[in-house]
Amino acid sequence: DGGITQSPKYLFRKEGQNVTLSCEQNLNHDAMYWYRQDPGQGLRLIYYSQIVNDFQKGDIAEGYSVSREKKESFPLTVTSAQKNPTAFYLCASTSTGYEQYFGPGTRLTVT
Amino acid sequence: AQSVTQPDIHITVSEGASLELRCNYSYGATPYLFWYVQSPGQGLQLLLKYFSGDTLVQGIKGFEAEFKRSQSSFNLRKPSVHWSDAAEYFCAVVGISNFGNEKLTFGTGTRLTIIP
Repeated sequence: DGGITQSPKYLFRKEGQNVTLSCEQNLNHDAMYWYRQDPGQGLRLIYYSQIVNDFQKGDIAEGYSVSREKKESFPLTVTSAQKNPTAFYLCASTSTGYEQYFGPGTRLTVT
Repeated sequence: AQSVTQPDIHITVSEGASLELRCNYSYGATPYLFWYVQSPGQGLQLLLKYFSGDTLVQGIKGFEAEFKRSQSSFNLRKPSVHWSDAAEYFCAVVGISNFGNEKLTFGTGTRLTIIP
């Protein structure tokens, strides 16, 4: 079955620690995206990558970092510089740039 | 830059009643429009999309949406809702410019509650 997997589903960290969220896709899509979702704010774009070894900042990239070493994988690191890291994080991919397919999400709680 | 407005934060509908969720977009060029649905704690699932052509588009789960350029709207409709339709619904737009594709911009969502 083709799709996007995100792990883990729930993640808990102490303040000051970096944490990496996993996103893997087997859809053979070139482009991948990371969004942050907060209640009442919809989805906000953190980073996106249109091709391996290349990525661009989205609207709220501060405090986050990404890598794209393989077409299938686009991990997101939430660094200690991110002021409010507690949120629901969604990964997506697309082959066309228009219709995006989403993973199930990771809920990160930082205390 | 493009933007999307979903004016209704929360809508409550009786099971079996009709539904219309509003979406207004702002973009100068031809928009590509989407409706996504999200169940609690889950990712987003694409319901339907409009790229061009017939302004009334059919989607999954019995949903449809109508693109009205004159009103800059792309409202989602369903003639008879089911309890399983309770979820959050997001409208989104990709603005296409002469310089290539732009990012997908989402509205803030409308939460749908179904009452028996």
